[in-house]
Amino acid sequence: GENVEQHPSTLSVQEGDSAVIKCTYSDSASNYFPWYKQELGKRPQLIIDIRSNVGEKKDQRIAVTLNKTAKHFSLHITETQPEDSAVYFCAASGGAGGTSYGKLTFGQGTILTVHP
Amino acid sequence: NAGVTQTPKFRVLKTGQSMTLLCAQDMNHEYMYWYRQDPGMGLRLIHYSVGEGTTAKGEVPDGYNVSRLKKQNFLLGLESAAPSQTSVYFCASRPLPNSGPQETQYFGPGTRLLVL
Repeated sequence: GENVEQHPSTLSVQEGDSAVIKCTYSDSASNYFPWYKQELGKRPQLIIDIRSNVGEKKDQRIAVTLNKTAKHFSLHITETQPEDSAVYFCAASGGAGGTSYGKLTFGQGTILTVHP
Repeated sequence: NAGVTQTPKFRVLKTGQSMTLLCAQDMNHEYMYWYRQDPGMGLRLIHYSVGEGTTAKGEVPDGYNVSRLKKQNFLLGLESAAPSQTSVYFCASRPLPNSGPQETQYFGPGTRLLVL
């Protein structure tokens, strides 16, 4: 089955700096890569996602890049703010078709702390 | 729309007791999932369902059973709880493929379970 590795496990930055979180996946059939943000005691919430036919996607201060050949994808947050502090999870899926049924395999999570 | 809801929010069980966690969604989603979240391990898929009356095993199904008698509800049962099942349980749902731009999983608020 799919295996997703996420690094680093913790990341501490100063407000205004950039933050980068990296994930690798093992199944070359995976074609959907969402990123979730989870605040303490809350549910995971989708912040951005990318499909395998796209190399990069950006939404304001957040961007995701995908390298299918190397089987890795990264989350980039620019101009970080204290409210960006949370746990971030990457995930991979073979899509909702075939036998994948949209199942997600998650990375272990990154605790991001943004210091004012 | 309430989205995805879960009951109860928190529960304490003694080893050997049984309980059922309820997940309900009002978005008419076909696919539903149960995950458990443990520190440092991300979210792991327990069971999932691709439609009313169907269920399938995920990555960590042992000790759990599920049922999907109605499309909007997905129940997770623990027949004989063990301390190793102490965790936060999240339910999620998603629409069928090619049904819209947001083809990702929507999570419930979680259930915290402590097994003594």
